[in-house]
Amino acid sequence: KAGVTQTPRYLIKTRGQQVTLSCSPISGHRSVSWYQQTPGQGLQFLFEYFSETQRNKGNFPGRFSGRQFSNSRSEMNVSTLELGDSALYLCASRGEDRYNEQFFGPGTRLTVL
Amino acid sequence: AQSVSQHNHHVILSEAASLELGCNYSYGGTVNLFWYVQYPGQHLQLLLKYFSGDPLVKGIKGFEAEFIKSKFSFNLRKPSVQWSDTAEYFCAVTLTSGAGSYQLTFGKGTKLSVIP
Repeated sequence: KAGVTQTPRYLIKTRGQQVTLSCSPISGHRSVSWYQQTPGQGLQFLFEYFSETQRNKGNFPGRFSGRQFSNSRSEMNVSTLELGDSALYLCASRGEDRYNEQFFGPGTRLTVL
Repeated sequence: AQSVSQHNHHVILSEAASLELGCNYSYGGTVNLFWYVQYPGQHLQLLLKYFSGDPLVKGIKGFEAEFIKSKFSFNLRKPSVQWSDTAEYFCAVTLTSGAGSYQLTFGKGTKLSVIP
């Protein structure tokens, strides 16, 4: 099976712009989660989608949003970018068995100038 | 609030030395525990996981971890490290809420540098 894929891998934006990141989960996985990784805060949970519905949301401002499509692919959007949004954004997918773990993609490195 | 603490920020070992990385969590209920590894330039990979049963869990590449419920700990061990174990290691706990949602809470990570 192919792993979790994320596009683009690298992105440079300026403050005030918005950005959309894309994630394709492992085939058959309906749960997709997003995490932000920074040197200072580590890995922080953004949100989880399952069957096109947001099931859980972390403690991030409303500028961070996401959605999931019927084929389980997911996008996250960050509007009005701030310098502090520079981070590695990781997508993870998971099967439905309760003993399944999350499988992570390579991430999108976002730099905000 | 749920939290995970990893005691060491950076550990430096010589090859063949033994490794133990500490992880403590704060959560009073039933937990699922994980150790993930991030090799330089690579994505997060699962080393091992604990859901229930034998508290001594064996993972890939010779790693193991012991769940001690009374200490809220899940320490990672390896008897003899190799240069290829140089990576960042993350302890994580599942935090579940209603409707079957799934969320991992991670520790800040421990960087391991193995000197040949």
